[in-house]
Amino acid sequence: AQRVTQPEKLLSVFKGAPVELKCNYSYSGSPELFWYVQYSRQRLQLLLRHISRESIKGFTADLNKGETSFHLKKPFAQEEDSAMYYCALSTLESGYSTLTFGKGTMLLVSP
Amino acid sequence: SQTIHQWPATLVQPVGSPLSLECTVEGTSNPNLYWYRQAAGRGLQLLFYSVGIGQISSEVPQNLSASRPQDRQFILSSKKLLLSDSGFYLCAWKKGLHEQFFGPGTRLTVL
Repeated sequence: AQRVTQPEKLLSVFKGAPVELKCNYSYSGSPELFWYVQYSRQRLQLLLRHISRESIKGFTADLNKGETSFHLKKPFAQEEDSAMYYCALSTLESGYSTLTFGKGTMLLVSP
Repeated sequence: SQTIHQWPATLVQPVGSPLSLECTVEGTSNPNLYWYRQAAGRGLQLLFYSVGIGQISSEVPQNLSASRPQDRQFILSSKKLLLSDSGFYLCAWKKGLHEQFFGPGTRLTVL
C-alpha cells in the first residue's frame, strides 16, 4: 500500500533562513507527487506538482526516485510562508486516482 | 470557473445524533468527488470518493456513509455520531488526472 511520511510536525525558522520540508513516499508504481499548503483561515490549495518542475512562491521540490523523496525547499523563508504543508501522492487504483497525504508539517517563520 | 461549496461551516452535535454534511460543485460536470477528514496530528484521511451519481467507494471502515444523489452533490452522513467523529471535514473535486481542489471545510464537534 502507498504511504507518505512527513517526519517533522513543526519546523520553526527565522525570516531569511533556508527551509526544507521533508517528504518520503512508499509506492510500487510510478509516483505523481504534490505539495499542498493551507494558510491560516484559507482553503487547502495546491502549491506545486513534481511533473511541472516549477517554482511557486520561491519553493521547489525535486522527485528523487532513488531515495523515494520529494522534499520542499526554499532558499530564503518569508513570514508569509507560515502555514501547514502537506505532501501528497497520487495513485491509480482500479482506474481511479486518489491522493494519499502525509500528516503535514507546520512551518513557522519568525521575524 | 469552477467552485466548490460546503455547509455548514461549523457544527456542534451531541453523541448519538445524526449528521448530514453537504458539498456541491459548480462549473463542471461529472467531477470525481472526495471526502476527507483532517485531524490534528493525523493529516488528511480519505474517507470516500465518487466517480459518478450513486457510485461511492469507501476507503476506511467507520461510522460514516456517503451518497451522491446528483452529479455535483456529495453528502456525508451518519445515523449516530460518536465522539471520535469530531474533526474537520473537507470535500474535494478532481481536475485532470491528479490535481484536486478543496472546499472550505466543515468543523464538526461531537459532545
